Parts: sequence; C-alpha cells; structure tokens
Amino acid sequence: GDSVTQTEGLVTLTEGLPVMLNCTYQTIYSNPFLFWYVQHLNESPRLLLKSFTDNKRTEHQGFHATLHKSSSSFHLQKSSAQLSDSALYYCALSDQNYAQGLTFGLGTRVSVFP
Amino acid sequence: AQTIHQWPVAEIKAVGSPLSLGCTIKGKSSPNLYWYWQATGGTLQQLFYSITVGQVESVVQLNLSASRPKDDQFILSTEKLLLSHSGFYLCAAGGGGGQNTLYFGAGTRLSVL
Repeated sequence: GDSVTQTEGLVTLTEGLPVMLNCTYQTIYSNPFLFWYVQHLNESPRLLLKSFTDNKRTEHQGFHATLHKSSSSFHLQKSSAQLSDSALYYCALSDQNYAQGLTFGLGTRVSVFP
Repeated sequence: AQTIHQWPVAEIKAVGSPLSLGCTIKGKSSPNLYWYWQATGGTLQQLFYSITVGQVESVVQLNLSASRPKDDQFILSTEKLLLSHSGFYLCAAGGGGGQNTLYFGAGTRLSVL
C-alpha cells in the first residue's frame, strides 16, 4: 500500500533561519497528488499547498515545495521561519483510489524560538 | 465555498456512556466524507470514510461506528466509551478531480473520564 515518511518528528529552530521538512512517499500510482497540511495548536489541519506536477515549484504563504517523482519526494521549505510557523506539519498522498482518503505521514512538529 | 460544521465543540463523558458526534457539510453536493481521530500530541488516524449516503467503510476498529443518514451529514457514535476514546475528532470532506483535497471541520475535543 501507499506510505508517506516524514523523517523528523520535531524540528526546533531560531526565528529567521530557513526550515526544510522532509517528505518521501511510496506508491505504485504514477500520478499521485501530494499535499502539505499545517495544524496549529488547538486547531484543525489546514491545507498549505499541493501538487501533482513533476518538477514544478508550488508556493503558498512563504512556503514552497517541489514534487520530484524521480526521488519520490515533496519536501517543504521556507527561507525564513517566523514564530507563527510553530505548528504540526503533515505530508499526505492521494492516489487513484482517492475516495478512500489521503495517506498521511506521522507529522513533523516545528517549534520556532525568538 | 463549502463549510463543515462539527458538533459538539467539546464533550466530557464518563467511561461506559454513549457518544454521538456530528458533522454537516454545506456548499458541496455528494462529498466524500471522513472521520479522523487524533490523540493528544498524536498523529492523524483515519477511522471511517463514506462516498455515498448509507455506505460507510471502516478503516480501523476502535469500538466506534459511523453512519451517513443524509448526503450532507456524517455521524460518529458508540454505545460505550472507553478511556482510550479521548482525543480530537475531525470530520473532513473531499472529492472530485481525482485529487481529493481534504478540508477539515473545526473538530470535537472529547475527554473520557
């Protein structure tokens, strides 16, 4: 079956520094959709960005990610972290059985300190 | 734009008591609907999904059941709560275009004592 791997459980960094969250996936489907969701404390997950186009950069709210099918990766990056970026970040995958829902990674908690 | 309303916002219940959580979706016809559960500090766990009225598929067994009595309504319930049922319950809607972007409701926080 499908799987999504987020290698970091917790990322701590200082405000203003760059951040990169790793996401790799496994699927036999040749045209997967990849998503990043962000969940702030005591809130529900919110879509941050998504992509299905190989090698095309997708940006939203200062974050960006590029789907690389050759390496099955969809890493999330931001050039300068802000205190408000402290949250839980989920990478997720949708394949041809999309009606069954998304396959989520375990999530990466980001804590940004002043 | 679709809206997802979950009720109640929060519940405190006793072990062994029944539970019913609800979710209503407006602004999208025939959505795919999902229940997720999140333990405090934990990851998202999909519980059920439904692609049409009256049909619900179970993903994990947690002594919970779900029903879809109307196109825009999804209900999560149990007759006997366990301590392990505590957590954050999220309803999500998606569907269409082959990508199934999910949009989540605000969630219900459940404490079982």
